[in-house]
Formats: sequence, structure tokens, C-alpha cells
Amino acid sequence: GQSLEQPSEVTAVEGAIVQINCTYQTSGFYGLSWYQQHDGGAPTFLSYNALDGLEETGRFSSFLSRSDSYGYLLLQELQMKDSASYFCAVPVTGSSASKIIFGSGTRLSIRP
Amino acid sequence: DTEVTQTPKHLVMGMTNKKSLKCEQHMGHRAMYWYKQKAKKPPELMFVYSYEKLSINESVPSRFSPECPNSSLLNLHLHALQPEDSALYLCASSPGATDTQYFGPGTRLTVL
Repeated sequence: GQSLEQPSEVTAVEGAIVQINCTYQTSGFYGLSWYQQHDGGAPTFLSYNALDGLEETGRFSSFLSRSDSYGYLLLQELQMKDSASYFCAVPVTGSSASKIIFGSGTRLSIRP
Repeated sequence: DTEVTQTPKHLVMGMTNKKSLKCEQHMGHRAMYWYKQKAKKPPELMFVYSYEKLSINESVPSRFSPECPNSSLLNLHLHALQPEDSALYLCASSPGATDTQYFGPGTRLTVL
């Protein structure tokens, strides 16, 4: 089957750096995505890694190691507005259709 | 146009009512999705439409009935819902079924 594991909660201080890990188990692998969701809002796409290595987009970076079935989201210079839930996600392909499955989410709380 | 729109934003209905949720995208995406999300949980996939045809039904009760009138529109018809169906209903679209998904703002549904 397919599964993704990520920590349920992470707390960090404003201005600091935080890393949210995700390990996955899938039959067939295409890439790892990250989504951010603020309370009351909809998930928004942050990043996608299909190949090993680090992808940087402003204060956010995402890393993938296909050999370790592992990735992480790195948030730098944390701001209060970064308080949100973060989901890792992978596409899976079945015999007749494809879909994306989400991890259970990591709730990031930022302290002043 | 790079957004997914959903109406209504909020909906309160009784268990005997019939209502519909609407979703629209004009990005030319060929895959559209309905998700249900409870508080502090990841989005839970309900239905996937690919090229206007239902490709995945995640064993959703028949009181939820999806419809895809054309490539830009997706409806979710609701009938005889239960209080436990109260949740945030999210629509999403993607270029293909394993590509990055773009979410609408959601409909907050309350069943009395």
C-alpha cells in the first residue's frame, strides 16, 4: 500500500529555521509535493521534488532522497504567518486512474 | 485565470434538504477532484474526474452525487445528509491526475 508519515506537531520561534520531515512508502514513485494550509483556508501548493536534491523557493526549500524514501520541507526566517498545517503528498497510479495521497499533516506553531 | 472558485462559501442544511456545491476552473485542467476535510485532518479524497469522466469514487455514500457538466465545472449534489457529513468540502483541479493540485477556497457545510 501507500503511506506517508510526518510529525503531527512542530513548534518553533519566530526568525528561526524549522524542518518538517516526511517518509513515504509507495508502489511506484513520481515525486513529493508539499502543501500549506492555514486554519479555515484551503491547501496551497508549495513545492514539488521529482529528483534528489534541494529545491529552493524564497524562504522555503524542499529536499528529496529517493533512495531513502524521505523528504523534508525547510522553512527559514520563520514568520508568525507561517503558522499553519503542512502536508506532504505523493501521486499514485492505479490500474484505471491516478490520484494524490496526503500525509496526515504537521501543525507548525510559531512563538514570538 | 489561475484560480479555482467554489460556491457557496458556507451552507447550512437540514437532513431532508437537497443542495448542490459548485466548482469552476478555467485553467484548462483535465482532472478535477472533490475532497472532504474534517478539522485537524488531511483532505480526504471523495471523487476524481478525468477528462469529464468519473475515474475514482472512494466508496462515497450515495447521498453524495458528483457531476461534471463540462471540462470547467464540477458539481456535488447533496441529499439526505447526516450531521457527521458536516465538514469543509474542497474542490481541486490539476493538469493531469498526478500533477500539482490547485484548490478552491472550499464550502463549509453544516448539517443540522
